[in-house]
Amino acid sequence: NAGVTQTPKFQVLKTGQSMTLQCAQDMNHNSMYWYRQDPGMGLRLIYYSASEGTTDKGEVPNGYNVSRLNKREFSLRLESAAPSQTSVYFCASSEIRGASNQPQHFGDGTRLSIL
Amino acid sequence: KQEVTQIPAALSVPEGENLVLNCSFTDSAIYNLQWFRQDPGKGLTSLLLIQSSQREQTSGRLNASLDKSSGRSTLYIAASQPGDSATYLCAPREHNTDKLIFGTGTRLQVFP
Repeated sequence: NAGVTQTPKFQVLKTGQSMTLQCAQDMNHNSMYWYRQDPGMGLRLIYYSASEGTTDKGEVPNGYNVSRLNKREFSLRLESAAPSQTSVYFCASSEIRGASNQPQHFGDGTRLSIL
Repeated sequence: KQEVTQIPAALSVPEGENLVLNCSFTDSAIYNLQWFRQDPGKGLTSLLLIQSSQREQTSGRLNASLDKSSGRSTLYIAASQPGDSATYLCAPREHNTDKLIFGTGTRLQVFP
């Protein structure tokens, strides 16, 4: 049972470099999400995709772009990394919008450091 | 804007105690509320989900209650064990945006 798979697990970048964080789910979920977690601030939503072909901004979208490649995959791109983007990034997925009995499932996270 | 508060922020107890972790939220228009566990350096594990129409959910030694009208949820842990040591997060799922809004968590340490 793979669930939500994130790659890579760890990454160190230099300021100004770009990279893409990958996320895939095998539960046939419609909705996918990207969060970042910083000490003392809880998880904050960066972007989400309610269904294949749609994406929307969350609470902290600046400096990021996303692509919902297909129903399984949702990637997060940092075009020009900044030290303020040092964080742990989590991908999550869930069933259709408004399904009150369906939980969100989370990946194990990507720990990103930007020097 | 939904705001989620978890009290206490940290808790250290001896093994065997019964514990109550509190979560409050400001907007009662929610689909459900999830409780998660997070171990250091790890991802989030979903413990319990309470639908907005439900009052409580139980799983083993865990019991979560929901009072939507007052914006409160509690996670009750019976007979705590050292293996329960982790950070516990609550997250209501907003009705109008379908998003989870997280609290900053309660860091629990259970010592032998």
